[in-house]
Amino acid sequence: GENVEQHPSTLSVQEGDSAVIKCTYSDSASNYFPWYKQELGKRPQLIIDIRSNVGEKKDQRIAVTLNKTAKHFSLHITETQPEDSAVYFCAASPGTASKLTFGTGTRLQVTL
Amino acid sequence: DAGVIQSPRHEVTEMGQEVTLRCKPISGHNSLFWYRQTMMRGLELLIYFNNNVPIDDSGMPEDRFSAKMPNASFSTLKIQPSEPRDSAVYFCASRPTQGLNSPLHFGNGTRLTVT
Repeated sequence: GENVEQHPSTLSVQEGDSAVIKCTYSDSASNYFPWYKQELGKRPQLIIDIRSNVGEKKDQRIAVTLNKTAKHFSLHITETQPEDSAVYFCAASPGTASKLTFGTGTRLQVTL
Repeated sequence: DAGVIQSPRHEVTEMGQEVTLRCKPISGHNSLFWYRQTMMRGLELLIYFNNNVPIDDSGMPEDRFSAKMPNASFSTLKIQPSEPRDSAVYFCASRPTQGLNSPLHFGNGTRLTVT
């Protein structure tokens, strides 16, 4: 089955700096890669996703890149703000009606 | 849309008791997933259903865990008998199965504490 690895497990940046979280996956059939943000005590919520026919996607301060050859994808957050502090999960899925396998999460701390 | 609805939000029970967690997926979503989240193991998929049929239950820890989806708008996850190591947050999530890959929508979770 699919195996998703995520790094780093914790990340501390100063407000205004950029943050990068990286994930690798094992199943070459995976074609859907969402990112979720989970604030303390709350449910994971989708922040951005990318499909395998696209190499990069951007939404305001967040962007995701995908390298299918190397089987890795990354989340980039620019101009970080304190409200970006949360746990971020990457995930991969091999297709419609299939399960989503999550990475182990990255705890991002944005300091003033 | 009210989103994925889970109940109860919190459950505290004694070891050996039966626990039933409930989930109502978003209307029109015909895939339903049960995840368990702990600090040590992260988000683990326990089981998922497509069109009310269990597709993959390889994540169910052991025979003490069972899940059902009697209709498109309701699912239960049961633990009998419960043990302290079952303490975790249990999330239910749903998504449509048709068309391109679509996002998973999570409920607010049930925080289970087994003493």
